[in-house]
Amino acid sequence: AQKITQTQPGMFVQEKEAVTLDCTYDTSDPSYGLFWYKQPSSGEMIFLIYQGSYDQQNATEGRYSLNFQKARKSANLVISASQLGDSAMYFCAMREGLETSGSRLTFGEGTQLTVNP
Amino acid sequence: DAGITQSPRYKITETGRQVTLMCHQTWSHSYMFWYRQDLGHGLRLIYYSAAADITDKGEVPDGYVVSRSKTENFPLTLESATRSQTSVYFCASSVARGVFETQYFGPGTRLLVL
Repeated sequence: AQKITQTQPGMFVQEKEAVTLDCTYDTSDPSYGLFWYKQPSSGEMIFLIYQGSYDQQNATEGRYSLNFQKARKSANLVISASQLGDSAMYFCAMREGLETSGSRLTFGEGTQLTVNP
Repeated sequence: DAGITQSPRYKITETGRQVTLMCHQTWSHSYMFWYRQDLGHGLRLIYYSAAADITDKGEVPDGYVVSRSKTENFPLTLESATRSQTSVYFCASSVARGVFETQYFGPGTRLLVL
């Protein structure tokens, strides 16, 4: 079974509007972390935001926020006020295990976001 | 502040040849990782290392060898390259920061096996 599922291969949004990128996960470990990375056309992987399984509040980083619904096992990324530079591939990833274990990330297949002017 | 670098950035090789991809980080991070990303897909873990001289297999280790004699370097070797190993290879490193751990990625190496 897929541990990370991103059901939207591609998404389009108008500049200055908000967009939600979906991510669901599957784990039986009570301790886990969820990450979102951005991969622009240049290819590098850029860390955006993190949510820990025990965090009570949704994570926010500037225009990025993570809509964490633990019971539904979803960790959707919300980008507010989209900019042309947000056009990229976005990956959801999960780390299972203790917070400082250094354990590896499992990635979803990604969502290609296109921001239209 | 070099961060994490990979070399070469692009490599073309032939089936059966040995290829080594280099990864170097300047942060003294304990953990280092190698991932591969096939066209249109997410990343899959090949090998990782918790410290110098400590390595472990990831999801797709077959056909690859790693070593880590120094904390800052984590080379990945394809012992006998195959066409199925054509991919983009990312090295990453991480440090425990407070209650969470972020992996920082290198720029990637694009490998084509003919």
